[in-house]
Amino acid sequence: KQEVTQIPAALSVPEGENLVLNCSFTDSAIYNLQWFRQDPGKGLTSLLLIQSSQREQTSGRLNASLDKSSGRSTLYIAASQPGDSATYLCATSGNQFYFGTGTSLTVIP
Amino acid sequence: NAGVTQTPKFQVLKTGQSMTLQCAQDMNHNSMYWYRQDPGMGLRLIYYSASEGTTDKGEVPNGYNVSRLNKREFSLRLESAAPSQTSVYFCASIRDRAQETQYFGPGTRLLVL
Repeated sequence: KQEVTQIPAALSVPEGENLVLNCSFTDSAIYNLQWFRQDPGKGLTSLLLIQSSQREQTSGRLNASLDKSSGRSTLYIAASQPGDSATYLCATSGNQFYFGTGTSLTVIP
Repeated sequence: NAGVTQTPKFQVLKTGQSMTLQCAQDMNHNSMYWYRQDPGMGLRLIYYSASEGTTDKGEVPNGYNVSRLNKREFSLRLESAAPSQTSVYFCASIRDRAQETQYFGPGTRLLVL
């Protein structure tokens, strides 16, 4: 069974700082890895999807990388803003979807 | 285009009561999923339907049943609710799980007393 781990569980940074969120997984037989954002009391919104054959994907201030062989992905957020405050979850797609428990990010103005 | 919709948004049940959570998508997606989200546990897959007419168990199926009514609708039924089923339930859909991302509904908050 796939195990997906996210570290740290919570992170607090001042506005403008660059930051990295980490995701690790145990089974490299995946189709892709996805990063989601979840605001309190809301559903999940897709941020980035990296296919297993890709190394990274970028969208605006977000950059996600994937190292399938080592079972790791990172989400890099540049120039953080208070509006980035949310929980960020990674998920692997294989025979089933497996989610990490998320990193709760707070960006302090 | 409403995406993925779920009803109800919030429900309180007594132990032993039954209820059905409804999910519908208007994106012509093939696959649909039911998850539960609990503090410290992340999202866990309850059941999924890879295509119309098929359903399969996920990681935590005990105490639940599902019905893929048609391509648009996928319902989750609790036959005899237990306090351990207190959770937030999310429905999601996807066209091609190898290539594309899942789209999530807003969730149903269920409290079982």
